[in-house]
Amino acid sequence: DTAVSQTPKYLVTQMGNDKSIKCEQNLGHDTMYWYKQDSKKFLKIMFSYNNKELIINETVPNRFSPKSPDKAHLNLHINSLELGDSAVYFCASSQGYLNTEAFFGQGTRLTVV
Amino acid sequence: GDSVTQMEGPVTLSEEAFLTINCTYTATGYPSLFWYVQYPGEGLQLLLKATKADDKGSNKGFEATYRKETTSFHLEKGSVQVSDSAVYFCALRGDSGAGSYQLTFGKGTKLSVIP
Repeated sequence: DTAVSQTPKYLVTQMGNDKSIKCEQNLGHDTMYWYKQDSKKFLKIMFSYNNKELIINETVPNRFSPKSPDKAHLNLHINSLELGDSAVYFCASSQGYLNTEAFFGQGTRLTVV
Repeated sequence: GDSVTQMEGPVTLSEEAFLTINCTYTATGYPSLFWYVQYPGEGLQLLLKATKADDKGSNKGFEATYRKETTSFHLEKGSVQVSDSAVYFCALRGDSGAGSYQLTFGKGTKLSVIP
């Protein structure tokens, strides 16, 4: 069973479109995250969501919005896509925040054309 | 804020060579330290971790020791294999304050091992 799963794995779309990436974890974790990995492999936290507390990285444009219908899901919505949004997006989850590892999904490669 | 600095890559080694990837950090308190590995086309996987000073994390022949005096967590392996080719990320998780459950990653070091 996949612990953290993201869909779709690949997403190609035109500038200006609105798209969503879904993430689900079956580990019973209480904290979920979205990371963006750029072309140079640099990983940057976008959001973390713990017990309904959302922490947003201040550098993330407000075109990006996380939606958490329940503790097992944290979806990422992106409005008005731009070329610079092209990257690999990783969802992750962990239980609590001390001394615990995060489990990552396989990533969604987003290409904006 | 918290930060992680790791050596620039890419690193290219011959099979059975010794590997060191340096990692230093800046954080308040007593963070937990991690090494994650990303194989081509895959997500990140935890390789090893250490939760307090002088702890040594080890897995698959890799080791790293949490050195608080030098704020370092260098990754080492005595004899690398072609299958170790991947991108390695050093990361920390803070122990206090809002958002401390976020992992802060270094920029990653790409390792290529040639036969």
